Amino acid sequence: DTGVSQDPRHKITKRGQNVTFRCDPISEHNRLYWYRQTLGQGPEFLTYFQNEAQLEKSRLLSDRFSAERPKGSFSTLEIQRTEQGDSAMYLCASSPGTGFYEQYFGPGTRLTVT
Amino acid sequence: AQSVTQLGSHVSVSEGALVLLRCNYSSSVPPYLFWYVQYPNQGLQLLLKYTSAATLVKGINGFEAEFKKSETSFHLTKPSAHMSDAAEYFCAVSDPPTQGGSEKLVFGKGTKLTVNP
Repeated sequence: DTGVSQDPRHKITKRGQNVTFRCDPISEHNRLYWYRQTLGQGPEFLTYFQNEAQLEKSRLLSDRFSAERPKGSFSTLEIQRTEQGDSAMYLCASSPGTGFYEQYFGPGTRLTVT
Repeated sequence: AQSVTQLGSHVSVSEGALVLLRCNYSSSVPPYLFWYVQYPNQGLQLLLKYTSAATLVKGINGFEAEFKKSETSFHLTKPSAHMSDAAEYFCAVSDPPTQGGSEKLVFGKGTKLTVNP
């Protein structure tokens, strides 16, 4: 068990560019979550997958954001036409299934939009 | 809607002193409650969770928390602080598991703990 991994760990981009982040959950975890954490705040829920199905999205997830989990394993989060307000830490978490198993968090991807 | 309030964005204690980090929640249903710790440049690690069993919950690294329904609180304590406890601590709440529910976490803003030698 290697834990949840995220790539890249850091991303600096210019306003208006598109970025994509990847999350590899713990093997056989069927639940995957994306959260966003801005400076001085706790993580905020963005979206949730059960296997390959995206079952819940926060209203924080504007039209510029899209997430996929095509084969129920890794997931990607894409931000189009980035804005300075998108600068944050993007955290991925996975869990084995229903019933309040622990959510295991990855180290996060820190996005800076200049 | 659920919410979490963590009183004190910064708490400073001396090594060996009692650690008390405060968390109050708001939830329309019996909540599940969590404390996570985040070290610099790392993800969040679960310290302990309350899932409607015993109200006094013991976690890792000597931490414990007590669920008090009448006070809507879930404060985190440790009898004796260690230098390695310096980190940011987050309280979180979630709905109990239901069929098809996401069990997403709603976090407080966090409390940064400093331990002085």
